[in-house]
Amino acid sequence: GENVEQHPSTLSVQEGDSAVIKCTYSDSASNYFPWYKQELGKRPQLIIDIRSNVGEKKDQRIAVTLNKTAKHFSLHITETQPEDSAVYFCAAAARAYGNQFYFGTGTSLTVIP
Amino acid sequence: GAGVSQSPSNKVTEKGKDVELRCDPISGHTALYWYRQRLGQGLEFLIYFQGNSAPDKSGLPSDRFSAERTGESVSTLTIQRTQQEDSAVYLCASSLVSGGENTQYFGPGTRLTVL
Repeated sequence: GENVEQHPSTLSVQEGDSAVIKCTYSDSASNYFPWYKQELGKRPQLIIDIRSNVGEKKDQRIAVTLNKTAKHFSLHITETQPEDSAVYFCAAAARAYGNQFYFGTGTSLTVIP
Repeated sequence: GAGVSQSPSNKVTEKGKDVELRCDPISGHTALYWYRQRLGQGLEFLIYFQGNSAPDKSGLPSDRFSAERTGESVSTLTIQRTQQEDSAVYLCASSLVSGGENTQYFGPGTRLTVL
């Protein structure tokens, strides 16, 4: 089956700086990679996703890059703001595994004002 | 429209008792997922439904856990003879169609505390 690893587990940045979270996956059959943001006590919410037919996707201050050869994908947040503070989860999914999404262990991001 | 809803939002029970958790997916979503999230931990896959069948039950931790779904609607997760290690937030999510490429929308979760 798939194995998703996520680093770092915690990350602190100064407001305005960039934050990068990295995930690796093990199975080349994975073809869909969403990122979820979970604020304290709230449900995970999708913030951006990427499919295996593209290498990069951007949405305002958030971008995701995918390297299929190396089997890793990263979340980039620029010009961080205090409201970006949350736990971020990456995931990998593939039709080969039916509907199962494999989640990373999460990164707790703190943006220091 | 309405999102995924779960009930109860909080449940406190005594060790050994059975509990039933409910999930109402977004209308029209054919796939439904259950996850467990222990405090400060990631999302642990439990089971998913496509329609009312469960092709993948591999994540259920033990035979004390079971789940069912009525048609393409509400699902219930039942935990029998609860143990303290069952304490966690149980999250439900739904997605529109089968396949790994579709967005999962999460419910607010049920926080289960086993005393």
